[in-house]
Amino acid sequence: AQKVTQAQTEISVVEKEDVTLDCVYETRDTTYYLFWYKQPPSGELVFLIRRNSFDEQNEISGRYSWNFQKSTSSFNFTITASQVVDSAVYFCALSESHRGNTPLVFGKGTRLSVIA
Amino acid sequence: DTEVTQTPKHLVMGMTNKKSLKCEQHMGHRAMYWYKQKAKKPPELMFVYSYEKLSINESVPSRFSPECPNSSLLNLHLHALQPEDSALYLCASSQEVAGRGGELFFGEGSRLTVL
Repeated sequence: AQKVTQAQTEISVVEKEDVTLDCVYETRDTTYYLFWYKQPPSGELVFLIRRNSFDEQNEISGRYSWNFQKSTSSFNFTITASQVVDSAVYFCALSESHRGNTPLVFGKGTRLSVIA
Repeated sequence: DTEVTQTPKHLVMGMTNKKSLKCEQHMGHRAMYWYKQKAKKPPELMFVYSYEKLSINESVPSRFSPECPNSSLLNLHLHALQPEDSALYLCASSQEVAGRGGELFFGEGSRLTVL
């Protein structure tokens, strides 16, 4: 079963619009970690945020905000007033603790294009 | 700038060649990873080293051979590859071993083309 689902394959927005990237996860662990990474055309995966399963507090960092809801197993990412530099592929990822050394499992990614 | 350095950035090789991809980090991280990423796909885990020992091998073909000479270096030796092995190969490291919530820091990747 897919652990991380990013239903939006591609999104296009006009600059300055707000955009939300959806992420739904599946796990039987009570302790787990959720991540968002950004992959610009250069190829490097850039870490954006980590959330553990015991911390449902939403977070805001500049134009970025994250909404973690355990009740719906979702960890959505919103970019406010999008900019062209936000164009990239965004991956949501899950790390479960019960399997010990299990590293990240990535969703399929959402390609965001911000048009000037 | 990324603190995980990968070389070469681009590599073209024939199916009979032997080549190596190199990865270096100086953040004192104890876990290092190789991921393979095909176009328009998410990264797929290949190998994990924890404290310089191979801890995870995700059923990768033997034509890919990882090596961790020390805590800062990670190599991926390539031999007798197939055209379908063409991909972006990403190296990553983390302070904590996988599964304990540590974020992974990725390099920019080595883009491999097998002719």
